[in-house]
Amino acid sequence: NAGVTQTPKFQVLKTGQSMTLQCAQDMNHNSMYWYRQDPGMGLRLIYYSASEGTTDKGEVPNGYNVSRLNKREFSLRLESAAPSQTSVYFCASSPREQGGSYEQYFGPGTRLTVT
Amino acid sequence: GEDVEQSLFLSVREGDSSVINCTYTDSSSTYLYWYKQEPGAGLQLLTYIFSNMDMKQDQRLTVLLNKKDKHLSLRIADTQTGDSAIYFCAESITGNQFYFGTGTSLTVIP
Repeated sequence: NAGVTQTPKFQVLKTGQSMTLQCAQDMNHNSMYWYRQDPGMGLRLIYYSASEGTTDKGEVPNGYNVSRLNKREFSLRLESAAPSQTSVYFCASSPREQGGSYEQYFGPGTRLTVT
Repeated sequence: GEDVEQSLFLSVREGDSSVINCTYTDSSSTYLYWYKQEPGAGLQLLTYIFSNMDMKQDQRLTVLLNKKDKHLSLRIADTQTGDSAIYFCAESITGNQFYFGTGTSLTVIP
């Protein structure tokens, strides 16, 4: 049981390049999330998917797109990377059961640098 | 977004109790959480509390919630060096959007 896995662990991009961050969970969770973590700012939600086939914007969606490929996988795409997108990106999943606590399980993160 | 505030740093001696504080702004928050982040790792859920509770205890951890003042605290009893990490509080109203504090870096001095 690997939990939440993310690839790659590290990435360096040049301004204007594109890339996709991959996330997968093996806990049969309904909901998945993408966050970015910047120094002094905590975690901010980029996009989330409450269930397979649905996606919604979070607090900071500009410059990103997502795909909920199936129940297991949720990818984050940067179409034209900018230095402001240098950050650590975390994927999370949650069982999101009605009446439950909606706790989230996080992946190890992807450290992205845009030069 | 919502404002969730925490002090940035806390330093305690091994064996003492640690108290990490958090304030939030949305009185509609239904769920409140504490997460721990060790260097180079993702966040790990420590504990959570529903808004209709005042206190929750889980082994060395005690969570206190003051809804009137919108104040949440995490007390760690008998703090150990392995407790050194960054601690985040987070709130959620619907279970869709989550708002995290800036994190409190706890240093435990042997």
